[in-house]
Amino acid sequence: QKEVEQNSGPLSVPEGAIASLNCTYSDRVSQSFFWYRQYSGKSPELIMSIYSNGDKEDGRFTAQLNKASQYVSLLIRDSQPSDSATYLCAVRDNQGGKLIFGQGTELSVKP
Amino acid sequence: GAVVSQHPSRVICKSGTSVKIECRSLDFQATTMFWYRQFPKQSLMLMATSNEGSKATYEQGVEKDKFLINHASLTLSTLTVTSAHPEDSSFYICSARVLADTQYFGPGTRLTVL
Repeated sequence: QKEVEQNSGPLSVPEGAIASLNCTYSDRVSQSFFWYRQYSGKSPELIMSIYSNGDKEDGRFTAQLNKASQYVSLLIRDSQPSDSATYLCAVRDNQGGKLIFGQGTELSVKP
Repeated sequence: GAVVSQHPSRVICKSGTSVKIECRSLDFQATTMFWYRQFPKQSLMLMATSNEGSKATYEQGVEKDKFLINHASLTLSTLTVTSAHPEDSSFYICSARVLADTQYFGPGTRLTVL
């Protein structure tokens, strides 16, 4: 069974620090990877997508992908209390196109 | 990003009644929409994939006769929870796929069955 693994946390970082969120996946042929942010009681919101090995930056967010290690991460620079949320890693299943989600990592940014 | 709406946002119903939830893509056409369910403190669970003009594909363990999905147009998919029971109380979220694989989520519908 194809799986996506994340540490559930909570991950606590002080305001202004870098938050590092990690994700591993089991299907070696996966090509599309996504990070979603979900605030409590709300639906997920797309933050980043990444398809190629290396880094992809968007504002304070950087996604990193290493297909050889089957590992994708999200770095949040200058963390703010408003970044406190659950971050979901998702991998697109090549068969059928559905997304396989990890359990999510709860991030808490302390003022 | 693309905008997906859901209606209603919250519904409370009595056990045994049926509830219909609508999912609309507002600024794009979606040939494929997805329905998820999320229990408190848990991740999203995919229930079914909804394709415009054809039958939905249900995930293993999801009762297709209980969760009826209709995707009659390129902008609307509906989920009907038939004969709802308290254990069906959950947060139901739809998403629509844009281009090859990016999914945008609706705001969700919180269902409470008394």
